[in-house]
Amino acid sequence: DAKTTQPTSMDCAEGRAANLPCNHSTISGNEYVYWYRQIHSQGPQYIIHGLKNNETNEMASLIITEDRKSSTLILPHATLRDTAVYYCIVRGYNQGGKLIFGQGTELSVKP
Amino acid sequence: EAQVTQNPRYLITVTGKKLTVTCSQNMNHEYMSWYRQDPGLGLRQIYYSMNVEVTDKGDVPEGYKVSRKEKRNFPLILESPSPNQTSLYFCASSFGQGPFEGYEQYFGPGTRLTVT
Repeated sequence: DAKTTQPTSMDCAEGRAANLPCNHSTISGNEYVYWYRQIHSQGPQYIIHGLKNNETNEMASLIITEDRKSSTLILPHATLRDTAVYYCIVRGYNQGGKLIFGQGTELSVKP
Repeated sequence: EAQVTQNPRYLITVTGKKLTVTCSQNMNHEYMSWYRQDPGLGLRQIYYSMNVEVTDKGDVPEGYKVSRKEKRNFPLILESPSPNQTSLYFCASSFGQGPFEGYEQYFGPGTRLTVT
């Protein structure tokens, strides 16, 4: 699996957009970018995934650069409940179901 | 409601006393796996199962056993627990591989195990 690099921590004001970057410069053509989050000691929660195109769902948007070497997860209107560790994971088609969680970004949403 | 359940949620036990942590999913998922989470080490996969009667080792399988006799259940067995197995354990499930590789994994709420 491609290695990912994320900032250790970030702060965001409640109601503002939270933009979480992820670097995956060694990503290969068949590898997807997944984002999960873990709210204090709860089970990780899937947020979104993408291959090339930008994606949006009810939780977030995922912007992938054209060269696919980096991506940004956007929480459009962060709330206090979005305080969590966010993991960017790269996984390919034939690489099995294992998710390799790095250290992630600890996002603190402040009032 | 689609969910993965684990039992027990909390367990304190002593070295050498066999225990089983149960995991069950109600989404008819083929793929199930177990992770452990330790401070500074993140989540690491213990075992996984691609379907009934098909299991394989993950990254840290030593000291653990699993079975997959039914599609919905994937119990984690510690035959002789030791203090280094004190950890937070998560079960996860998803649709299988192939054309479903994009589907997300659902995680259970976790089991906090302490072995003294």
